[in-house]
Amino acid sequence: QQPVQSPQAVILREGEDAVINCSSSKALYSVHWYRQKHGEAPVFLMILLKGGEQKGHDKISASFNEKKQQSSLYLTASQLSYSGTYFCGTEIGAGGTSYGKLTFGQGTILTVHP
Amino acid sequence: NAGVTQTPKFRVLKTGQSMTLLCAQDMNHEYMYWYRQDPGMGLRLIHYSVGEGTTAKGEVPDGYNVSRLKKQNFLLGLESAAPSQTSVYFCASSLGWAGNSPLHFGNGTRLTVT
Repeated sequence: QQPVQSPQAVILREGEDAVINCSSSKALYSVHWYRQKHGEAPVFLMILLKGGEQKGHDKISASFNEKKQQSSLYLTASQLSYSGTYFCGTEIGAGGTSYGKLTFGQGTILTVHP
Repeated sequence: NAGVTQTPKFRVLKTGQSMTLLCAQDMNHEYMYWYRQDPGMGLRLIHYSVGEGTTAKGEVPDGYNVSRLKKQNFLLGLESAAPSQTSVYFCASSLGWAGNSPLHFGNGTRLTVT
């Protein structure tokens, strides 16, 4: 089942912050986050595996809620290079019909202006 | 290190023609995937493989076939192309199970079926 991302699009000025959400109706084994620039391949950002986990690097971080049904990606003090489409990918885990299949959300388009 | 290489980069087919997309990875990854990307729909899994000689269906397998005769290669075939198969196709690979391993994507193949 495809996770739901919100918002569908975000427009920022450099230095502003943004939050992108990824929700599932079922508990997840893990959540991946990827960024894709126009005309390029998606690039891996991070994986979250544990309920309550938070991780990040530089000014991009993510959290996974305790029930493991929602993840949020935080972009702080945005830069022009952050522009692109952000996707979450979810894995339900062993015992689920989606085992072994990473299912992606529909994407969030982030545009950062000078 | 080339990573994941897809050929061809672009292709135009007429309805009913057949073709094969090639994906090659040099990272000794066990898992390989074929996704299609259409506007507003994110990445949808077509087929995947958990190791040499294995294949499995993803979310949208109809009209496609795959083979993984060698660990480093994953082929996607269209036996009789239809306009609905116009899309950008991405191959990806991961060292282990998608639940806890990042996916590495190729640069994509843009296919147009007229």
